[in-house]
Amino acid sequence: KNEVEQSPQNLTAQEGEFITINCSYSVGISALHWLQQHPGGGIVSLFMLSSGKKKHGRLIATINIQEKHSSLHITASHPRDSAVYICAVTQGAQKLVFGQGTRLTINP
Amino acid sequence: DAMVIQNPRYQVTQFGKPVTLSCSQTLNHNVMYWYQQKSSQAPKLLFHYYDKDFNNEADTPDNFQSRRPNTSFCFLDIRSPGLGDAAMYLCATSSSQSGLAYNEQFFGPGTRLTVL
Repeated sequence: KNEVEQSPQNLTAQEGEFITINCSYSVGISALHWLQQHPGGGIVSLFMLSSGKKKHGRLIATINIQEKHSSLHITASHPRDSAVYICAVTQGAQKLVFGQGTRLTINP
Repeated sequence: DAMVIQNPRYQVTQFGKPVTLSCSQTLNHNVMYWYQQKSSQAPKLLFHYYDKDFNNEADTPDNFQSRRPNTSFCFLDIRSPGLGDAAMYLCATSSSQSGLAYNEQFFGPGTRLTVL
């Protein structure tokens, strides 16, 4: 079993829909990260969380430390949101442990 | 804008021919990472530098080496590339004080390596 599990692995939705991607982890963490990767592209850091909730534009990330669970929400989704979203956790001081990613496709 | 730059973006090499990938950063971060990402897989950490201290992952093959001549630059050397080394190579940076919890990582655009 992976230390970081994401669901769903693939998600297709229509433009405007509210999107939720889930991440569960089984190890102690110092922080949780949500990352975005467009096809053939580099990785962009969206959020780094250690508690509570963060919002940036149409993106919201929440974390429940007790339940070892985080969610990434996208409101009013748009085709340009189509990408792979990766959950990763920081264990101890330095190492990022990645989930397998969720491939999101938003159709016009 | 402060950023992480990788050159080249695309690199083609022949089987067994050494290749060097380059990463530079204007963020003045003291930690630099190299990741390997194969198609449809999560990135895999190869090694990282904390300042000048090199930290190799246990399962990183000896074929992969790295150099960090100064704070801004870090190189990934693949001594004898095999077909299985074809991948996207991602450089990232972060800041850390006294080796405690590292901050957010900033990624470069990646170099896609093809081995013929």
